[in-house]
Amino acid sequence: NAGVTQTPKFQVLKTGQSMTLQCAQDMNHNSMYWYRQDPGMGLRLIYYSASEGTTDKGEVPNGYNVSRLNKREFSLRLESAAPSQTSVYFCASRGTGSTPEAFFGQGTRLTVV
Amino acid sequence: GNSVTQMEGPVTLSEEAFLTINCTYTATGYPSLFWYVQYPGEGLQLLLKATKADDKGSNKGFEATYRKETTSFHLEKGSVQVSDSAVYFCALSDIPGTASKLTFGTGTRLQVTL
Repeated sequence: NAGVTQTPKFQVLKTGQSMTLQCAQDMNHNSMYWYRQDPGMGLRLIYYSASEGTTDKGEVPNGYNVSRLNKREFSLRLESAAPSQTSVYFCASRGTGSTPEAFFGQGTRLTVV
Repeated sequence: GNSVTQMEGPVTLSEEAFLTINCTYTATGYPSLFWYVQYPGEGLQLLLKATKADDKGSNKGFEATYRKETTSFHLEKGSVQVSDSAVYFCALSDIPGTASKLTFGTGTRLQVTL
């Protein structure tokens, strides 16, 4: 099915380990986003990419890096994981038009111990 | 900055009851407003949207009207079903086009019982 695909779905890391969350969309969308979802805090934007080759910080970028590898793929990297990064991470993409709908992946549940 | 405030949950209703989930916003200019729904174990999906004042978005029996005078976008449904149990997020986008970012509320969990 067309849409946004995230991998992995679940991950447990030890404090200090690194990992990359992968995201790919096959809808030819320009914009892609990474959010984290925490209880009682809704979704908070980590980084976004308005087009291939550009990335910008969102609300909570500290401790993360991103790469817009091409138009389809937007990865999120944790260089040195911390327990505060335990969360559910969502990737999203948006197409063109004046009020484009955002399409979300199914999420990655990350636990840092 | 932009912000979205939703009523806290969980909201527990019996099947066929009337639903209202309140949402108010703060934004510059004329934002577009959205309701997203998240079913257990899934990502968010668009439920409905409205792009200008007095617009009414509707889908699957849910409705919300863009009220600029009260900066609100309350979600309503006349008769909820067990299958409507989910988390509902209000969101806004303040700039037209793909350069904009979506700002989300904290979400409201709805539980519908038989």
